[in-house]
Amino acid sequence: SYDLTQPLSVSVALGQTAKITCGGNDIGSKNVHWYQQKPGQAPVVVIYRDTTRPSGIPERFSGSNSGNTATLTIARAQAGDEAAYYCQVWDNTSGVFGTGTRVTVL
Amino acid sequence: QVQLQESGPGLVKPSQTLSLTCTVSGGSISSGIYYWNWIRQPPGKGLEWIGLIFSGGNTYYKSSLQSRVSISIDASKNQFSLRLSSVTAADTAVYFCARVYYGGAPFDLWGQGTLVTVSS
Repeated sequence: SYDLTQPLSVSVALGQTAKITCGGNDIGSKNVHWYQQKPGQAPVVVIYRDTTRPSGIPERFSGSNSGNTATLTIARAQAGDEAAYYCQVWDNTSGVFGTGTRVTVL
Repeated sequence: QVQLQESGPGLVKPSQTLSLTCTVSGGSISSGIYYWNWIRQPPGKGLEWIGLIFSGGNTYYKSSLQSRVSISIDASKNQFSLRLSSVTAADTAVYFCARVYYGGAPFDLWGQGTLVTVSS
């Protein structure tokens, strides 16, 4: 099975930049999607197909993907960005989620 | 505006079968461009994809759950359903239904989720 590894937690100072990595074998050959999940809520897509932001998602969210690592970057972090973030790919016809990263804004 | 809503028992006894339904409102489940999925999240843990069904009825399941899971679709009711047999406490989770727009796309629409607890 295909595995995606994320750091358990990332801390970022208010207004600074947070980077969340998602590691997987040759993940650069796959389309990576990123979700934000706040407590008690369903996940929401913040980046899809590596780099594309859905309408309504701030430009502060960006993504990249190459080699064995995909990265979600949150610029100018705000208190409202505190959440769990998950990467996700499709491995043939199976959905695979990353282990999840808790982002804390200090 | 299309919405998804999960429904079903919130408590299931060990060794029994968990059954949930996802009702699609505001749009047709029979549209061939969508895949319909079940995803779960144990309390305090991460997301786990369970499986999907195409509107035509083809299904794909997570390999580790394949022997216990079944997803079906009822186009007349605009619903799709999950059955998970021989449940244990490890199956306690919030269960989400979710939609994928086309192959390789993200889960762009989610239900609110429903907590299912496995306990005697």
